[in-house]
Amino acid sequence: NAGVMQNPRHLVRRRGQEARLRCSPMKGHSHVYWYRQLPEEGLKFMVYLQKENIIDESGMPKERFSAEFPKEGPSILRIQQVVRGDSAAYFCASSPDRERSPLHFGNGTRLTVT
Amino acid sequence: SQQGEEDPQALSIQEGENATMNCSYKTSINNLQWYRQNSGRGLVHLILIRSNEREKHSGRLRVTLDTSKKSSSLLITASRAADTASYFCATATSGTPLVFGKGTRLSVIA
Repeated sequence: NAGVMQNPRHLVRRRGQEARLRCSPMKGHSHVYWYRQLPEEGLKFMVYLQKENIIDESGMPKERFSAEFPKEGPSILRIQQVVRGDSAAYFCASSPDRERSPLHFGNGTRLTVT
Repeated sequence: SQQGEEDPQALSIQEGENATMNCSYKTSINNLQWYRQNSGRGLVHLILIRSNEREKHSGRLRVTLDTSKKSSSLLITASRAADTASYFCATATSGTPLVFGKGTRLSVIA
């Protein structure tokens, strides 16, 4: 029973390039959350999606960042025109319902912008 | 903004000792959860305590919740070197996603 799968584990991008981070939730989970973590910091909420819908994007910068969770396939967090400040670990988590159940996390994608 | 704040930020103990971490939060909650993160890995859920519960146990873990003081504590008894990790509290409130604190870094020395 596979857990939350994120890929790639490590991603290096030059300033101005695009970064695409993928997340496949646990089987049976239709709720996906993206969090960002800076070194020695906690997780900061970015966006919450259900299949084909963005439910809450209050933590996601309005410029350059977008997220989707299509009917088929993984959830994608997309960062356009990356800057050095985007360097961080990005974690995806999934749950079978909204708010009641604990989150199951992937091992994250570590984005480095050079 | 952070809802939960863990205390201390870092804790170093000898194997076999108990480790206590505290979490304070600001608003009313539905439940409070504790997670563990090993270096370079994702978070793993440890225990969930509902707002109407005061104490919960799971193996060597004991969690308390005091809603009047808006605080929680996580006790790990008889610690092991493998318990070395960062521990985060997270608060669940209706209509908002889980909000995490900055964590406590626990080092257990063999």
